[in-house]
Amino acid sequence: DGGITQSPKYLFRKEGQNVTLSCEQNLNHDAMYWYRQDPGQGLRLIYYSQIVNDFQKGDIAEGYSVSREKKESFPLTVTSAQKNPTAFYLCASISTGELFFGEGSRLTVL
Amino acid sequence: AQSVTQLDSQVPVFEEAPVELRCNYSSSVSVYLFWYVQYPNQGLQLLLKYLSGSTLVKGINGFEAEFNKSQTSFHLRKPSVHISDTAEYFCAVRKAFGNEKLTFGTGTRLTIIP
Repeated sequence: DGGITQSPKYLFRKEGQNVTLSCEQNLNHDAMYWYRQDPGQGLRLIYYSQIVNDFQKGDIAEGYSVSREKKESFPLTVTSAQKNPTAFYLCASISTGELFFGEGSRLTVL
Repeated sequence: AQSVTQLDSQVPVFEEAPVELRCNYSSSVSVYLFWYVQYPNQGLQLLLKYLSGSTLVKGINGFEAEFNKSQTSFHLRKPSVHISDTAEYFCAVRKAFGNEKLTFGTGTRLTIIP
């Protein structure tokens, strides 16, 4: 079945470590997105990519980095510069205005 | 820029009662509007969307929403809720043309009371 796969589902990290969250889609969508979700704050856009080898900062890009070398893949790296990285991260792709979401990755910094 | 306000952070409702989750938006241009549902520790699933045409939009699981341009609202309704409707609901908006970024509201947690 077509869809978006995020991994890992749960991840623990020590302070000062970088961590990369995987996002893969087989929907043949051009545009992909990364959102961060915190309780009571809804979803906030971190980065988005509308085409391969191109991406733009969203509203809260500081402390994060992305790459888009393949249409199917849009990994997100949470760097040690991110001050408060503990959150639920959601990857999505878009078609005719509708976002399709992965199941999310929950990152906890110890 | 667009913005979305979901006035109620939590809504408790008895089972089989009707429910309305409120959503108001702000935009200087034409918009598309969406409602998403999120079950615990899962991604978001589209309930319904308004792109154009009839202002009353029907979605999955018996939900519907009405686009009201004069009041800049897109409230979500269900005439009779079930325990399985317990979830968080997000309203979202994007410009009708151009950049496809969605802006989300802060969410409404719907709790169904048996």
